[in-house]
Amino acid sequence: GQQVMQIPQYQHVQEGEDFTTYCNSSTTLSNIQWYKQRPGGHPVFLIQLVKSGEVKKQKRLTFQFGEAKKNSSLHITATQTTDVGTYFCAGFRGGKTIFGAGTRLFVKA
Amino acid sequence: DGGITQSPKYLFRKEGQNVTLSCEQNLNHDAMYWYRQDPGQGLRLIYYSQIVNDFQKGDIAEGYSVSREKKESFPLTVTSAQKNPTAFYLCASTPDRVAGYTFGSGTRLTVV
Repeated sequence: GQQVMQIPQYQHVQEGEDFTTYCNSSTTLSNIQWYKQRPGGHPVFLIQLVKSGEVKKQKRLTFQFGEAKKNSSLHITATQTTDVGTYFCAGFRGGKTIFGAGTRLFVKA
Repeated sequence: DGGITQSPKYLFRKEGQNVTLSCEQNLNHDAMYWYRQDPGQGLRLIYYSQIVNDFQKGDIAEGYSVSREKKESFPLTVTSAQKNPTAFYLCASTPDRVAGYTFGSGTRLTVV
């Protein structure tokens, strides 16, 4: 079936280091969304990418959608302790939104 | 402020009991969803509804039931047929299928 694979599963960084999580699909996606879930909280929508090769920035966060619309990445520059949580991607195809399993980010002060 | 309200925040259920989780939204969104999240796991779709009085099964609908009698409300019943119901349940809504989701704060269900 359709799957959206997300790597890595976990990432430990020192505060100030950069962080990247990757999302890959075996099929072309209509769009991709990114969410952040703080520990003990609920997912919060961050952004949606629609166009091939699209790049969007939100402060220290950079989101990319691949040229083939099969992969995406989220890059955080100079992580802070407030960045801790799980980052999920969600791809839309065939009338369905499929969530990746998430990457859990740990930031050591 | 517009949003999604889930209640209760914590729920304890005895084996063999049915329980109903509430989800109410005032965003005027047409589509509503129920997801289940297990510790350290992603989100799995239980049921979704794109319009009042209509809903479809998701990937793990067995042991669950829903209703959509009003646009604002999408309650989820966890029946005794669900063998492993302990999980974090998230309700979400969108104005349409391709838009970003707004999630409620979730209900943590524990079987005791």
